[in-house]
Amino acid sequence: GAGVSQSPSNKVTEKGKDVELRCDPISGHTALYWYRQRLGQGLEFLIYFQGNSAPDKSGLPSDRFSAERTGESVSTLTIQRTQQEDSAVYLCASSLFGRAYEQYFGPGTRLTVT
Amino acid sequence: AQSVAQPEDQVNVAEGNPLTVKCTYSVSGNPYLFWYVQYPNRGLQFLLKYITGDNLVKGSYGFEAEFNKSQTSFHLKKPSALVSDSALYFCAVRDGTGGGNKLTFGTGTQLKVEL
Repeated sequence: GAGVSQSPSNKVTEKGKDVELRCDPISGHTALYWYRQRLGQGLEFLIYFQGNSAPDKSGLPSDRFSAERTGESVSTLTIQRTQQEDSAVYLCASSLFGRAYEQYFGPGTRLTVT
Repeated sequence: AQSVAQPEDQVNVAEGNPLTVKCTYSVSGNPYLFWYVQYPNRGLQFLLKYITGDNLVKGSYGFEAEFNKSQTSFHLKKPSALVSDSALYFCAVRDGTGGGNKLTFGTGTQLKVEL
């Protein structure tokens, strides 16, 4: 079946603008994760959604970052007042309930803040 | 807290030779360990996992990894490398003892397999 999809694949924005990144998880996957991958660095956990439970937001780097998920489907990651240090690849992953150890990743959104 | 270290930024191997990509970890409870691969311009793909059981686990594309509790390591191996194995490899860990659902990833190792 279809994998995790993300849009846009690339986004260039000016410093100070807001951006929205979208993630469509695999159908039936109740868990959804957002990560950030800066150039030359590992993946940095941002936020985790599991069904209707309160999300784990412990990885969000500042209050400029927020994310929402509609039920067990699409999620959007919003970055307000973007800064140059926000430039990175933002990865979304999903997994079945109880199988957080086997996450399926989307291709990512490459965000460039100029 | 949980952490992962991948001591090598890059590993170069000749095609047909065995390859090893190193990973060490730190968790307070039982480790759940994973390897992911990232090909150019593609998302991360799950390769293999260790949860419990045999220390040698086999995964996709002929890769395997050996869990060594005393050395807190989970090195990725393949007996005979292919040029097509060239990619970025990430080791990840999760604390299986009430550690929630977060995976902590290493910084990645670029594998380059040459003819």
